[in-house]
Amino acid sequence: EPEVTQTPSHQVTQMGQEVILRCVPISNHLYFYWYRQILGQKVEFLVSFYNNEISEKSEIFDDQFSVERPDGSNFTLKIRSTKLEDSAMYFCASSEQGNEKLFFGSGTQLSVL
Amino acid sequence: GENVEQHPSTLSVQEGDSAVIKCTYSDSASNYFPWYKQELGKGPQLIIDIRSNVGEKKDQRIAVTLNKTAKHFSLHITETQPEDSAVYFCAASKQSNYQLIWGAGTKLIIKP
Repeated sequence: EPEVTQTPSHQVTQMGQEVILRCVPISNHLYFYWYRQILGQKVEFLVSFYNNEISEKSEIFDDQFSVERPDGSNFTLKIRSTKLEDSAMYFCASSEQGNEKLFFGSGTQLSVL
Repeated sequence: GENVEQHPSTLSVQEGDSAVIKCTYSDSASNYFPWYKQELGKGPQLIIDIRSNVGEKKDQRIAVTLNKTAKHFSLHITETQPEDSAVYFCAASKQSNYQLIWGAGTKLIIKP
């Protein structure tokens, strides 16, 4: 069964450093997403991406965040200067249709020290 | 904006019994309601979803009901099995945007 893969599974970084979280969506999917879950809190939407551009973003997704689809298979989330409060589990997802039937990866646990 | 409340936070049932998890939403424009199951170390997995033009949907032991007037929807799992133990999330979204608004999750424990 096709699946969304995320790397790395764990990432530890120092405050102020840049991190790139990587995702390989399901190959025939057209919509891509990033969500995050801070420990003990709800899953939160960050951004959606379609046709090589951001289709929607939340208030969380400020200038420190960016997304890119550098080639035909990868979808990345970059945090330019990490803060302590960026520590969370980050989930990548993809779908054939917009906002329905999302398939999620296993997540990247980001720890900012 | 939309807010989704989910109850209970933890649910413990005897194997073979039924489990019911309930969610309410605030935005009457929401029209898509998925349920996700998350096992330890894995990402959320879609188990069933329902659109607002349908009142009930069933897939084997899993069913979802939607009451648009009351703005609540529920997940029903019958004949529970040990492999049903996981965290279950409800979510809601509108046709006009791409984001899912999530409930806080329910930890379902199936007692042997």
